[in-house]
Amino acid sequence: DTAVSQTPKYLVTQMGNDKSIKCEQNLGHDTMYWYKQDSKKFLKIMFSYNNKELIINETVPNRFSPKSPDKAHLNLHINSLELGDSAVYFCASSQGVWGFDEQYFGPGTRLTVT
Amino acid sequence: SQKIEQNSEALNIQEGKTATLTCNYTNYSPAYLQWYRQDPGRGPVFLLLIRENEKEKRKERLKVTFDTTLKQSLFHITASQPADSATYLCAYEGSGNTGKLIFGQGTTLQVKP
Repeated sequence: DTAVSQTPKYLVTQMGNDKSIKCEQNLGHDTMYWYKQDSKKFLKIMFSYNNKELIINETVPNRFSPKSPDKAHLNLHINSLELGDSAVYFCASSQGVWGFDEQYFGPGTRLTVT
Repeated sequence: SQKIEQNSEALNIQEGKTATLTCNYTNYSPAYLQWYRQDPGRGPVFLLLIRENEKEKRKERLKVTFDTTLKQSLFHITASQPADSATYLCAYEGSGNTGKLIFGQGTTLQVKP
């Protein structure tokens, strides 16, 4: 059983397009996250939601907009894609919002903007 | 700013030896440190968590230490195997109690048979 799933796994698109990445978790967790991992492998938090409420909103361009229709889903919509958006995007989930909560990551979505 | 650093150079060791990876943090005193493993093309997988009042934590061949004076955590894999080859990430929760994890850049371990 897949715990945290993301679609699509690969996404190749041109500059200026709008795209979405979907994430679902079947762990019954209350908190979900989006991370960006750049070419240097740094994993950086972008957003988190707890029970559909936005908790973390890091300094990311407002072209990125998360949407949480329910606590099992957290989607990421990106408008007007730029070359610098190319990266691997990971969704994750955890039971709560505490530093001792382990996070479960999805397989990642490799976004390539040409 | 809160920062966490890992040795960015790859660590190459022989099978059967003990691998030791280092994680140093600055400008903050986290209550917890987490360690994850990431294989190429996959998401990180949680391995261990250690609390600030714990000096050491073990899980099978893995051992983590937490030295709040040195602001350092060490991650050891004993009797290493080629299957242990991966990138290992340390992370701590930033200030604010929001569950925001700050990750190091990871250290790639290569265990040679």
